[in-house]
Amino acid sequence: EVQLVQSGEEVKKPGESLRISCKASGYTFTSYWISWVRQMPGKGLEWMGRIDPGDSYTNYNPSFQGHVTISADKSISTAYLQWSSLRASDTTIYYCARGRSSGNFYGMDVWGQGTTVTVSS
Amino acid sequence: DIQMTQSPSSVSASVGDRVTITCRASQDISNWLAWYQQKPGKAPKLLIYAASSLQTGVPSRFSGSGSGTDFTLTISSLQPADFASYYCQQANSFPYTFGQGTKLEIK
Repeated sequence: EVQLVQSGEEVKKPGESLRISCKASGYTFTSYWISWVRQMPGKGLEWMGRIDPGDSYTNYNPSFQGHVTISADKSISTAYLQWSSLRASDTTIYYCARGRSSGNFYGMDVWGQGTTVTVSS
Repeated sequence: DIQMTQSPSSVSASVGDRVTITCRASQDISNWLAWYQQKPGKAPKLLIYAASSLQTGVPSRFSGSGSGTDFTLTISSLQPADFASYYCQQANSFPYTFGQGTKLEIK
């Protein structure tokens, strides 16, 4: 079964660092890119950026660039989203999703279950 | 950034109704568009890719059309499971962007 399994809920303090993960299984990890998507409470979807696990090339949404880092370890089929200094405004749910866009956009067809991050003093 | 504008923001409809949601891009995105369904507390689900291709396993009552800047998602005969939020997404250029969403509610 093709799936993305995300790490569990996190509770952190402002200024702390955090890395959440997205482990892929059931397919060739390097054949699809992984995107991260933020959804604030009661709001819509925001694309944060993506990584090509084959070469670790990344593209970021300028709205998030500099505040988060996307990485991947293809040896363990896992993508990461990390913060070096969390803010209270980072409190929300984050999804990873796989996608493919060779010659056309095939959409993001497999999603993780979401990781809730709470940042509070 | 390419802005994606969905309309309506919310719609009330009954089981069996035909519903159309539109998505307009601020510039030409060819057919680099996908549609997603999201239910409360769940991850989004891909319905349509490449503007009009039905994702495997998605019921045929869902269809997508359009190219360039104007796109539509149509549900031909609403079923109880279809009451959810719907989002379009462009992937023609970075940053990828979503529409603001359309909430489909039971009348």
